Formats: sequence, structure tokens, C-alpha cells
Amino acid sequence: GIQVEQSPPDLILQEGANSTLRCNFSDSVNNLQWFHQNPWGQLINLFYIPSGTKQNGRLSATTVATERYSLLYISSSQTTDSGVYFCAAVLGGGGQFSGGYNKLIFGAGTRLAVHP
Amino acid sequence: DAGVIQSPRHEVTEMGQEVTLRCKPISGHNSLFWYRQTMMRGLELLIYFNNNVPIDDSGMPEDRFSAKMPNASFSTLKIQPSEPRDSAVYFCASSSQGAIFFGTSGGAAYNEQFFGPGTRLTVL
Repeated sequence: GIQVEQSPPDLILQEGANSTLRCNFSDSVNNLQWFHQNPWGQLINLFYIPSGTKQNGRLSATTVATERYSLLYISSSQTTDSGVYFCAAVLGGGGQFSGGYNKLIFGAGTRLAVHP
Repeated sequence: DAGVIQSPRHEVTEMGQEVTLRCKPISGHNSLFWYRQTMMRGLELLIYFNNNVPIDDSGMPEDRFSAKMPNASFSTLKIQPSEPRDSAVYFCASSSQGAIFFGTSGGAAYNEQFFGPGTRLTVL
């Protein structure tokens, strides 16, 4: 079936370190989003990135749709980066503007702990 | 914009009681989603509305769950009767299908979903 798989499941970093989180998906994507769930449970949008590369401050993301993966880079990590990072995708053909059903399939998440 | 608004933020109830969760989507969005998050199952979609019409309710666990969207700015998720296994965080999300918005990380975004703060439900 349609799957979104994330790795690693857990990650512990020292403040200031860099990290790469990976998301593999089993089909072509119409939408791919990265979220950060903070320790208070809030889901915060990080990137909308069905293809290409984007950067936002210390975070950047790259999606290679033809190879069915996306990467989230965190540079110079801070304690406030702690939490769970989710990748979620709308899978299936039809293209971005097909008007099809936009059901997000979530990965299991990567739990990140950044220590001072 | 105020973002997606959910109420209550926390709900504690006893088994057998009726629970109603409420959601106000982002103004202008025409798609609304209810999700449930548990440790065992992660984030799972319960039901999806487009233009106030339920499109896919295949994720609704059983008949005890029902959802309505009487207008574009309000939706409810009701559990009757509630059971301890319904304890979870329930999220509402909205998006604009068929229109292009300026996305979170720059550039055009189609169908980007935005989540509310969630309702933490505990059924004793």
C-alpha cells in the first residue's frame, strides 16, 4: 500500500550539530509537507515541498520526486529544535493541479532531542 | 489570520458520555480534515470535507463517531458514547483545494494543510 517512511526514528544531538532527516515515499507525490511537533504538541508547518529545494533559516529541505525521497536538513541545532519531525505526502498521479483528493499520509516521525 | 481554531483544548470525560469537538478552519479554505493522534497509531485521518461535503469518512473508527460541517466556517466531531480507547489528541486541519496560496516556505503551495492546536481528550 501507499507508505511514507521516515528515518532515523530517534536522534540525539548536541547543540550546534547538524543533522539530516529522511523521508521515503512509495508513489509519486502531489504534495509533500514537513512538520515539527513541538513538546506542547503543536504541529508547525516547516515546508511545502513536492519537489526541489527550499531554505528557511537554519532549516532546508530537498525533495527528489523521481527517486521518491525528501530530506530535511537542520544546521546548528538548538534546544528549541527538539520535538518530532513528520513528513507527510499526498501520493498518487495526476499532478499538482489535478484537483484530486489531497489526503495526507504521515510518516511515523523522527523524534529529535537536542541537548545543551 | 488566526489559523485553525479548535475547542476545547482539553476534555476529560467519563466513559459513556457524549463528547463534541469543534473546529473553525482558516477563512477562505474549502477543505477540512479531522485527524487523531495516538502513540500506537500515530496520526491518522478520520474524515475529510470538501466544500462542506464529506468526501471520505473511511477513517472514522465506528458508528460512535460522527462529523458535520454545517457551513464553511464550522465543523464538529462527535463521539457518542465515548470509551477509554478514544483517548487521544484530535486535530483539525484545513487547506484550500483548487487554489494556489503563497506557501509556508515560499513559492506557490497547492493543498498545503494547516493544523489547529488539537484537543486532548481523556475518557476515564
